[in-house]
Amino acid sequence: DVKVTQSSRYLVKRTGEKVFLECVQDMDHENMFWYRQDPGLGLRLIYFSYDVKMKEKGDIPEGYSVSREKKERFSLILESASTNQTSMYLCASWGTGEVRQPQHFGDGTRLSIL
Amino acid sequence: QQQVKQSPQSLIVQKGGISIINCAYENTAFDYFPWYQQFPGKGPALLIAIRPDVSEKKEGRFTISFNKSAKQFSLHIMDSQPGDSATYFCAASYTDKLIFGTGTRLQVFP
Repeated sequence: DVKVTQSSRYLVKRTGEKVFLECVQDMDHENMFWYRQDPGLGLRLIYFSYDVKMKEKGDIPEGYSVSREKKERFSLILESASTNQTSMYLCASWGTGEVRQPQHFGDGTRLSIL
Repeated sequence: QQQVKQSPQSLIVQKGGISIINCAYENTAFDYFPWYQQFPGKGPALLIAIRPDVSEKKEGRFTISFNKSAKQFSLHIMDSQPGDSATYFCAASYTDKLIFGTGTRLQVFP
């Protein structure tokens, strides 16, 4: 069965820390995505990647960066965490060539910045 | 142009009733309209999806109605059950990205 695994369900960090959120998929998908989910705002795309070492900015990339060194792993990096980055972060993957197949989501990381 | 507007923000329905969630879009290039269902503590999962060349798609108790001229689409949940209580997101896509609505929290009471 399809699986997207996010390394942490809950994470508490301090302002100014460098934070790493990890995501692994086992479907050999080319495309991977990072979203943040906030009440009343839905899912907003932070960054996405179409291939290893490739990355594209989404709608809200400020304060974030990403790394994709291996096909199955996509990391989200908060360079210097701030309280306004407290949120639920969701990773997703999507196969190229699968005409309009669903994006598969992990169960999220709830990040609190104190 | 890239937005997908979703309403209502929350919905309370009696068991056995019909739940209706509406979405509207502006970009006529969108060609894929999925609905995702999210339970607490879980990531969103695809519920049902439609292409703009059909006006309706039904899967069990769930139906998407699509109005291309009005640029609107809606999710109908017939015979709503307490197990349907979740957050629902509409979305739209024309490339390999999805644009999500803001979500509707549905509560179905017995």
